[in-house]
Amino acid sequence: DQQVKQNSPSLSVQEGRISILNCDYTNSMFDYFLWYKKYPAEGPTFLISISSIKDKNEDGRFTVFLNKSAKHLSLHIVPSQPGDSAVYFCAAHADYKLSFGAGTTVTVRA
Amino acid sequence: NAGVTQTPKFQVLKTGQSMTLQCAQDMNHNSMYWYRQDPGMGLRLIYYSASEGTTDKGEVPNGYNVSRLNKREFSLRLESAAPSQTSVYFCASRRDSLNQPQHFGDGTRLSIL
Repeated sequence: DQQVKQNSPSLSVQEGRISILNCDYTNSMFDYFLWYKKYPAEGPTFLISISSIKDKNEDGRFTVFLNKSAKHLSLHIVPSQPGDSAVYFCAAHADYKLSFGAGTTVTVRA
Repeated sequence: NAGVTQTPKFQVLKTGQSMTLQCAQDMNHNSMYWYRQDPGMGLRLIYYSASEGTTDKGEVPNGYNVSRLNKREFSLRLESAAPSQTSVYFCASRRDSLNQPQHFGDGTRLSIL
C-alpha cells in the first residue's frame, strides 16, 4: 500500500521556466515532508522540507507548498536550470521512518 | 566531509551466496537506515536502527539481516542471495532532532545471477 504517490513519472521544461512537481499522500500521521534530488550513480540529496504545521517553505529557487486538507504537496523550481535535470523524490516522515514516492524525472531543455 | 560511506559500490553474486553490505557515518547520528531502490519505484525501507543496540524491520525485511555494530556502523547481510534481491541499496543516517532530514550514501549496486 503506497502511502506517498508521485503520479507524473517525468517532466520536461524549458530552461528559465517554472517546474512544478506534485505529490499526494494518504497517511494523516505524517508530520514532516521532504524533497530529495538524485543524480545517476549518486545517493539522494536533501533539497527542501516542510513541517506539517506550515503551508509554505521557500529556499532560493525552491518552494514547497503543503495542502493538508487535500493531502497534497508540490515543489516549485523557478527558474529551472540545466543542473536541475535529475530525479526528484517526495518523502513523508512518521515514527522515525520515511516513505518515498516513485520519483519524477525532470529534464530541463536549453 | 565523508558523510555516509557505503562499500562496496558494485557487486555481482550467484544465487545462494552470502554478502554483507557495509555502511559507516561520521556525523554522530543516532539513527541509521537501509533502503533498496528498484526501477520505477521509490526507496523502500528494509531495516532501521533508531539507536545503537536497536534494530527494527521496515517495509521489506524478508531475506535480510542487519547489525548495528556501533554508533557509526550499520551493516546489511544477505544470507542466501536471490535474483529478486538485485537492486541498488542505499544507507542513510539522521540526527534525532525535530524535522531533520536523512543523509544518504551513494549506494551499492548489487546484481544476483
